[in-house]
Amino acid sequence: DQQVKQNSPSLSVQEGRISILNCDYTNSMFDYFLWYKKYPAEGPTFLISISSIKDKNEDGRFTVFLNKSAKHLSLHIVPSQPGDSAVYFCAASPEGGSEKLVFGKGTKLTVNP
Amino acid sequence: DVKVTQSSRYLVKRTGEKVFLECVQDMDHENMFWYRQDPGLGLRLIYFSYDVKMKEKGDIPEGYSVSREKKERFSLILESASTNQTSMYLCASILSGEGHEQYFGPGTRLTVT
Repeated sequence: DQQVKQNSPSLSVQEGRISILNCDYTNSMFDYFLWYKKYPAEGPTFLISISSIKDKNEDGRFTVFLNKSAKHLSLHIVPSQPGDSAVYFCAASPEGGSEKLVFGKGTKLTVNP
Repeated sequence: DVKVTQSSRYLVKRTGEKVFLECVQDMDHENMFWYRQDPGLGLRLIYFSYDVKMKEKGDIPEGYSVSREKKERFSLILESASTNQTSMYLCASILSGEGHEQYFGPGTRLTVT
């Protein structure tokens, strides 16, 4: 039973355009959400997070939006750059600060020059 | 900066061999994790440890064991390697409490022939 779903295995966008990566979750006890970026043959690196008390968090070109009622979050990258090409994982943490994260299966983003 | 290191980036082992994967973190984190990453399956949790000598099974513990004798070191052991254990193995650590992210090592690409 997948509690965190990334329904698009891949996404392709043009350099300079917006990339929107989506993530849905089923467990209403999740209250902290994270996005990780992973290049081939490297470990995932933390990108941005959002707490359930917020609906938006921004860091430079990256913005995460959270819609709690829809149990949906999205990562916006504007403008997209070729170096953003990677696999992006959405992860969620249950209420109470559990250190154990639940990961989605990832979306492979390709930004074309 | 948190540093998580893994003993090998690439490893080739034969079926039936006992394999040790080592992970060390330098930030005094209580919690450490072992994942494997396979295409289309995302990150799957094998085992985690929230303290020295403490361990808990993750989602796919079969065929694996772990050891945590010191706080900074978490070892993954493949008792008798099989070809279906060919994968990318990722170690992570995290501070206890809310609002933290897991830090990942660079990964070990294990091939079992």
